[in-house]
Amino acid sequence: DADVTQTPRNRITKTGKRIMLECSQTKGHDRMYWYRQDPGLGLRLIYYSFDVKDINKGEISDGYSVSRQAQAKFSLSLESAIPNQTALYFCATSDPGNTGELFFGEGSRLTVL
Amino acid sequence: GQNIDQPTEMTATEGAIVQINCTYQTSGFNGLFWYQQHAGEAPTFLSYNVLDGLEEKGRFSSFLSRSKGYSYLLLKELQMKDSASYLCAVRDQTGANNLFFGTGTRLTVIP
Repeated sequence: DADVTQTPRNRITKTGKRIMLECSQTKGHDRMYWYRQDPGLGLRLIYYSFDVKDINKGEISDGYSVSRQAQAKFSLSLESAIPNQTALYFCATSDPGNTGELFFGEGSRLTVL
Repeated sequence: GQNIDQPTEMTATEGAIVQINCTYQTSGFNGLFWYQQHAGEAPTFLSYNVLDGLEEKGRFSSFLSRSKGYSYLLLKELQMKDSASYLCAVRDQTGANNLFFGTGTRLTVIP
C-alpha cells in the first residue's frame, strides 16, 4: 500500500460545484502539503501544514481551503470549482529531521467543466 | 522569490550519457533536489545537494555550485525506462523551508 494515499484519483465536475480532495499518510510525518501541477508551469504550492493546528498559504491559495483533521489527514477543498482549477493535484509529506525531501501521493486528476 | 530554469525537453540515445542542467536564483538557499516523474505518476526523489560538489548514486549523479546558482543531473548508461520528466527543486531558507520547483525537463530516450 502507498504511504501517501489520495482520494479520489480522478474526478470530473462542473463549474460551481464544491470538491474535496483527501489525503492520508502512514509515514508519521508532521508536515503535509498540497501542490498542483499544470503543463508548462511545474508544481506549485497551494497550502501546507506543519501540525494539526497549523495551516499556511502557499504560492497559489486563492480559491482553495484546507483542513488538517489529524496528523495523518490533510484535505483540500475547492468551494466553487472553476475551469482553470483543472489540474493534477498532489499531496506530499516531509520529515524535516532528514533531508526534508517530499514524499508524494499518487495524484488526483481534477477536471472542471 | 525564486527563479528556477531548466530545459523543457531533451532527447538522448539508449546507453548514452545525458546531463540536465538547472540554474536558480533564490532569496535564500537551503538545498537542491532532483525528482523523477513518469507521465501521470507521482514525482520520486532522486538526489539532494546542499554543499558544492558531486553526489553519486548508481547511474545517477547530481552536481551543485552554490556560487554559480547551478546544478546538473547526470544520467549514465541510459535505459528506455529513464524516459520521464526530471524536476529541479530548491529549498528556501525561510522558516518554512519549502521546496520550489522548476517546470521540469522531459527526457526521451530513443533506441
